[in-house]
Amino acid sequence: DVKVTQSSRYLVKRTGEKVFLECVQDMDHENMFWYRQDPGLGLRLIYFSYDVKMKEKGDIPEGYSVSREKKERFSLILESASTNQTSMYLCASMVVGVGANYGYTFGSGTRLTVV
Amino acid sequence: GDSVTQMEGPVTLSEEAFLTINCTYTATGYPSPFWYVQYPGEGLQLLLKATKADDKGSNKGFEATYRKETTSFHLEKGSVQVSDSAVYFCALREAAGNKLTFGGGTRVLVKP
Repeated sequence: DVKVTQSSRYLVKRTGEKVFLECVQDMDHENMFWYRQDPGLGLRLIYFSYDVKMKEKGDIPEGYSVSREKKERFSLILESASTNQTSMYLCASMVVGVGANYGYTFGSGTRLTVV
Repeated sequence: GDSVTQMEGPVTLSEEAFLTINCTYTATGYPSPFWYVQYPGEGLQLLLKATKADDKGSNKGFEATYRKETTSFHLEKGSVQVSDSAVYFCALREAAGNKLTFGGGTRVLVKP
């Protein structure tokens, strides 16, 4: 089974700190994604990446950046954390394939609290 | 872009009751639908999926049929258990790409 590992389950950071959320997958998937999950708003796409060093903005990229230096690792960076970035962050990966309907494999999530 | 609409919760049921969660979508081309489940404190897990029109996905007693004519992928289970208490997300993979669009999620609570 594909495994997607997020480095922290819970994080508490202070306003203005630079925060790194790490995500690693072990099955050589090309596509990786970062979502945030908030009550009443569902999952919203922050950034995604189709390959090493490639990145694309999702629906809510403001205040975030990403890094993909190696295929297995996709990092989400909060440049200067703010309280409105308190949320559950979910990383996902997906293989690229033709003729089959592949879905995402999700990590367990990181619950970030900014105080 | 694509959008997914699912019924709002919470849905509260007794054990062995019938569960249905409606999901409809708007999209261009021929997207592919999924249902994901999120148990308390965990990430999302793939529950079932469909690839083409009239496909029925099934898993763990849950079923959903991909209806292109009504742009729907409703989730059903004939007899729920307490362990089915979770949040269920309908999602759509875009026709020409790899992004999924999610519905808002439906919280289901099954009482003994």
